[in-house]
Amino acid sequence: GENVEQHPSTLSVQEGDSAVIKCTYSDSASNYFPWYKQELGKRPQLIIDIRSNVGEKKDQRIAVTLNKTAKHFSLHITETQPEDSAVYFCAASKGGATNKLIFGTGTLLAVQP
Amino acid sequence: DTAVSQTPKYLVTQMGNDKSIKCEQNLGHDTMYWYKQDSKKFLKIMFSYNNKELIINETVPNRFSPKSPDKAHLNLHINSLELGDSAVYFCASSQEVNTDTQYFGPGTRLTVL
Repeated sequence: GENVEQHPSTLSVQEGDSAVIKCTYSDSASNYFPWYKQELGKRPQLIIDIRSNVGEKKDQRIAVTLNKTAKHFSLHITETQPEDSAVYFCAASKGGATNKLIFGTGTLLAVQP
Repeated sequence: DTAVSQTPKYLVTQMGNDKSIKCEQNLGHDTMYWYKQDSKKFLKIMFSYNNKELIINETVPNRFSPKSPDKAHLNLHINSLELGDSAVYFCASSQEVNTDTQYFGPGTRLTVL
């Protein structure tokens, strides 16, 4: 079945630096790739998503890139701020009613002020 | 207004007991989900419902029984609770199945003693 690997498991950066989190997926039929942010004790919330017909998407300080050939996708956060500190999850799905959204194992991002 | 709500927020109970968690969404979505997040933060799908019908049952023990009385509600009943059931349970909803933003509830932290 579909598998999503996520690296690194923890990431510590200085405020203002960039952070990059990488994911790989196993099922080449996957076509939807969301990223969720989960602050401590809170619910996961979607921050950005990308579909397989697009190679890159940006939203202010956040960008996601997708390499379908290599089955990689990455989250890029620029000019990090302390409020970016959270666990970030990538996920992949190939759509269809009986297919699941598979989550990666999460990356704990700590932004040091 | 709260989009996806769950009750209770915390649940502490003894092994062998039966308990229920309730979920409601006011977003008008057709699809609802239950996820389990363990102590290592892994997010794993348990069930998904579309228009009140079960479409995914992710090899969850039959001690777990979801019920969807209508599209806005998806409840989770757990029989004969075990220590390994201790986790945070998240309800979520989306308009489309698996290829759309999923809105998560605040979570229910279940502790089985």
